[in-house]
Amino acid sequence: DAGVTQSPTHLIKTRGQHVTLRCSPISGHKSVSWYQQVLGQGPQFIFQYYEKEERGRGNFPDRFSARQFPNYSSELNVNALLLGDSALYLCASSPRGSGANVLTFGAGSRLTVL
Amino acid sequence: AQSVTQPDIHITVSEGASLELRCNYSYGATPYLFWYVQSPGQGLQLLLKYFSGDTLVQGIKGFEAEFKRSQSSFNLRKPSVHWSDAAEYFCAVKVGSQGNLIFGKGTKLSVKP
Repeated sequence: DAGVTQSPTHLIKTRGQHVTLRCSPISGHKSVSWYQQVLGQGPQFIFQYYEKEERGRGNFPDRFSARQFPNYSSELNVNALLLGDSALYLCASSPRGSGANVLTFGAGSRLTVL
Repeated sequence: AQSVTQPDIHITVSEGASLELRCNYSYGATPYLFWYVQSPGQGLQLLLKYFSGDTLVQGIKGFEAEFKRSQSSFNLRKPSVHWSDAAEYFCAVKVGSQGNLIFGKGTKLSVKP
């Protein structure tokens, strides 16, 4: 069974540009979460989606947005990129949106902003 | 506010030696607790979790962790470290009714021959 897949694996953008990151959850998982991991830090929660609805949002500016599609895949969009947006963006999926469930992470998309 | 503290930024142990990585959390109720491992350039792999019940939990790769409510701790242990255990280890707590995790800043483990 395929795990959580993310694309692209690496990308380089310049300040002010826009980026879209994609995530496919494990088959049967209906919840997708996004995390940002800056070098040397632990991951920070950005968004959670469950059944195509936003269920949680971390402390990130409105330049960050996301959505979940009917097939439960998800996109993370970041507008007006800043140097500080350089990070590893991790997607995680879980069977449910709450309760005692476990997040399974993908390998991440490494974004470099120049 | 909820938080997770991993006091040790970097630990070096000899291969075959025992290991303990510390984790303390701040949370009003009994949380769901996790340890994840991250190899360089990789995503996070779940080592073990604590939801309820027996406070000593076993995980993959020979790791175990003990939940101590009185100390608000969830320390990770391994009796004999292998060179392949070199990685970064993250403790995390799940908060609220949603699925998001709060992570510590991580402990980087180096293993010397």
